[in-house]
Amino acid sequence: DTAVSQTPKYLVTQMGNDKSIKCEQNLGHDTMYWYKQDSKKFLKIMFSYNNKELIINETVPNRFSPKSPDKAHLNLHINSLELGDSAVYFCASSARTGFGNTIYFGEGSWLTVV
Amino acid sequence: DQQVKQNSPSLSVQEGRISILNCDYTNSMFDYFLWYKKYPAEGPTFLISISSIKDKNEDGRFTVFLNKSAKHLSLHIVPSQPGDSAVYFCAARSGTSYDKVIFGPGTSLSVIP
Repeated sequence: DTAVSQTPKYLVTQMGNDKSIKCEQNLGHDTMYWYKQDSKKFLKIMFSYNNKELIINETVPNRFSPKSPDKAHLNLHINSLELGDSAVYFCASSARTGFGNTIYFGEGSWLTVV
Repeated sequence: DQQVKQNSPSLSVQEGRISILNCDYTNSMFDYFLWYKKYPAEGPTFLISISSIKDKNEDGRFTVFLNKSAKHLSLHIVPSQPGDSAVYFCAARSGTSYDKVIFGPGTSLSVIP
């Protein structure tokens, strides 16, 4: 019974393609996130949404567009993929904004751009 | 600009002994700190946290110590078990941006049976 699930887990695609990663949480959380873990293993926040509203956008290229159709879903669409986009993308959620909330992560989506 | 640092990329410890993972931060506005554990091919899972108003928090075998003046925290695992072998991420957030959790680069812990 996965709390935060994301698909696909593995994705290999060519430069220039457009791809999407889907994320769903069944925890009833209000806030969802996308994190990127790059080749140096740093986990960096990309976006956060609270009740479908964009809260954080960490100077991510415009090619990355998150979409939250409802508070249980936050999908990531990437246009014109580049080699440097190869990374592991983690979706996450938390119960509320504010002090003390715990972030729950999905298992990650391994994106390889060739 | 790395606000959360984990200067030891890896650590090996004998089973049953203490594991000490260290973390340093630069932003004095950070007021809440977290440790996450990550196994290969899985997402990070929350382990333990500490507020800046405390200097110690304990949960079973895991204890986190915070030294605000030194901007340093550490995670102690006693006794270490082989199942503790994983990457441990230190993370922090500030009161001005609770949704923005800043992660360190992680320390890979190997507990040798």
